[in-house]
Amino acid sequence: QKEVEQNSGPLSVPEGAIASLNCTYSDRGSQSFFWYRQYSGKSPELIMSIYSNGDKEDGRFTAQLNKASQYVSLLIRDSQPSDSATYLCAVSLGGGYQKVTFGTGTKLQVIP
Amino acid sequence: DAGVTQSPTHLIKTRGQQVTLRCSPKSGHDTVSWYQQALGQGPQFIFQYYEEEERQRGNFPDRFSGHQFPNYSSELNVNALLLGDSALYLCASRRTGENYGYTFGSGTRLTVV
Repeated sequence: QKEVEQNSGPLSVPEGAIASLNCTYSDRGSQSFFWYRQYSGKSPELIMSIYSNGDKEDGRFTAQLNKASQYVSLLIRDSQPSDSATYLCAVSLGGGYQKVTFGTGTKLQVIP
Repeated sequence: DAGVTQSPTHLIKTRGQQVTLRCSPKSGHDTVSWYQQALGQGPQFIFQYYEEEERQRGNFPDRFSGHQFPNYSSELNVNALLLGDSALYLCASRRTGENYGYTFGSGTRLTVV
């Protein structure tokens, strides 16, 4: 079982729609959860972090965490063509030395 | 405020050679991690350095080694290069003790021929 699993996509949504990206993780001790956006040929950019169960909103982005189900998601409202990228889910056990483990990423395509 | 800087940006090496990649962390950051990202894959954790010591290591052979200097900058060395080592190598930094996500550099694209 992979430590962090994501559907590779591509996920295609029309402009203005809500994009829903999902991620599951295997280690129940995980404490920190991150979403990164990676444009083609570029390095990952942190867009959201979440540490407790529930929702966290930042502009058009909402991260959702359910530790009991070992599930984390990212919602992008009013999707724009500029949101087209690969979205990487990342998980850490927390603490100063803990490594951050990434999923393989979901490719999102926003169709104008 | 400079972010994470990596050098070189691109590199072509021959199979069997050795390579050194360099990274300067973001100002105020003291923990550096290195990742390998193959095309179409997520970043794979190589190792993490703090206080000039390797603190965590991923599933990579001993051909991959690193170093952290007193100014927190870091190097990744790969010996006996294989064709399969061709990838984007990413350096990421953060401040130890903080639980925030890493800041990534722009990466070094290594091609082994």
